Amino acid sequence: EDQVTQSPEALRLQEGESSSLNCSYTVSGLRGLFWYRQDPGKGPEFLFTLYSAGEEKEKERLKATLTKKESFLHITAPKPEDSATYLCAAPGDSGYALNFGKGTSLLVTP
Amino acid sequence: DAGITQSPRHKVTETGTPVTLRCHQTENHRYMYWYRQDPGHGLRLIHYSYGVKDTDKGEVSDGYSVSRSKTEDFLLTLESATSSQTSVYFCAISAQGTEAFFGQGTRLTVV
Repeated sequence: EDQVTQSPEALRLQEGESSSLNCSYTVSGLRGLFWYRQDPGKGPEFLFTLYSAGEEKEKERLKATLTKKESFLHITAPKPEDSATYLCAAPGDSGYALNFGKGTSLLVTP
Repeated sequence: DAGITQSPRHKVTETGTPVTLRCHQTENHRYMYWYRQDPGHGLRLIHYSYGVKDTDKGEVSDGYSVSRSKTEDFLLTLESATSSQTSVYFCAISAQGTEAFFGQGTRLTVV
């Protein structure tokens, strides 16, 4: 069964303290790894798609990387406004719908 | 919000009543999805559609049905609501079945 697992479940950082979130997957024949950000009371917001090992994508203080077995979301010098839940996802068996991990809840304190 | 409107945004209903949630898109995307989000479970796929009148089941489809008679509308029906269906429901759309864009969600409470 295809699975997407995220760690840690929760992470608390001080402003400026860089860290990484992990997403491991057991999807056979990966057809993309997707990162989303979700703020409380809102729908997930698309961040990145990665398709092949070694690929990297950046947006402001966020950088997503992909290996054959996992993806990392690196957060450099985070600010309080980066506080959110970060979700990763991969296509399921149908290939046309995403299976999501349970997310990492990030809190950045001033 | 990528041209996605969910209605209603909040609803309280009684156990045993039917409930229909609506998702409307203005992007002309082929794929549409219904997910539910619950603490400890994350986002789980209920049903999805890959074209008008073409739908398929997801991970948690029991007790739910869907219909898509037009490209822009995807309806989710709880045939007889139960307390276990209290959740936040998200609609999503995708042009090619890859990146999906989400609506703002519907908070449903079944009492």
